[in-house]
Amino acid sequence: DIVMTQSPDSLALSLGERATINCKSSQSLIFNANNRNYLTWYQQKAGQPPKLLIYWASARESGVPDRFSGSGSGTDFTLTISSLQAEDVAVYYCQQNHYTPWTFGQGTKVEIK
Amino acid sequence: QVQLQESGPGLVKPSQTLSLTCTVSGGSISGTGLYWSWIRQPVGKGLEWIGRIYSGGSTTYNPSLESRVSISLDTSKNQFSLRLTSVTAADTALYYCARDMLETAFDFWGLGTMVTVSS
Repeated sequence: DIVMTQSPDSLALSLGERATINCKSSQSLIFNANNRNYLTWYQQKAGQPPKLLIYWASARESGVPDRFSGSGSGTDFTLTISSLQAEDVAVYYCQQNHYTPWTFGQGTKVEIK
Repeated sequence: QVQLQESGPGLVKPSQTLSLTCTVSGGSISGTGLYWSWIRQPVGKGLEWIGRIYSGGSTTYNPSLESRVSISLDTSKNQFSLRLTSVTAADTALYYCARDMLETAFDFWGLGTMVTVSS
């Protein structure tokens, strides 16, 4: 199985600050046929199911604010929230959808300081 | 807008079988290229993918659960179902169903249903 490791486990920042969450996979997530990285980011607010934010490592899902961005390739990926808002308090998960079984990172909790 | 809703018993006795159903609305479950997955989350913990079924009926399971799990499709009711046998307390979790797109992963989720394994 591909192991997904996120860092840090938690993050507390002031409103308006930049949040950076890292995700490392134990194998490359590049699909050679189309050169896309099959790495997805989700946001899970308390009491809610996860919500798709970013797919293909950097493609923003429709309706997701542009302060959320994804980057990276191969085995190292980053989710950035450019200016943290109160409504961004949540746990963020990365997930690989390159090889089954699909696997998730352990999650990163983002809070307001 | 696709919507999913899980249903099933909230309490299952140890060694028995957990059975859940996911009802899909706003779209056909048998559309081309569609996969439907089950994912679980122990309270306060992370996400574990259980398995998926293709709209044509083929299945893929997480090897960690493969000996105990089966997922089936009922196109007449626009539903898919999960069976997990020989449950233990370790299977206590919030169970989600989700649409599983090959390119965009899990784009629609149900609200989840809590299943507790206890005598």
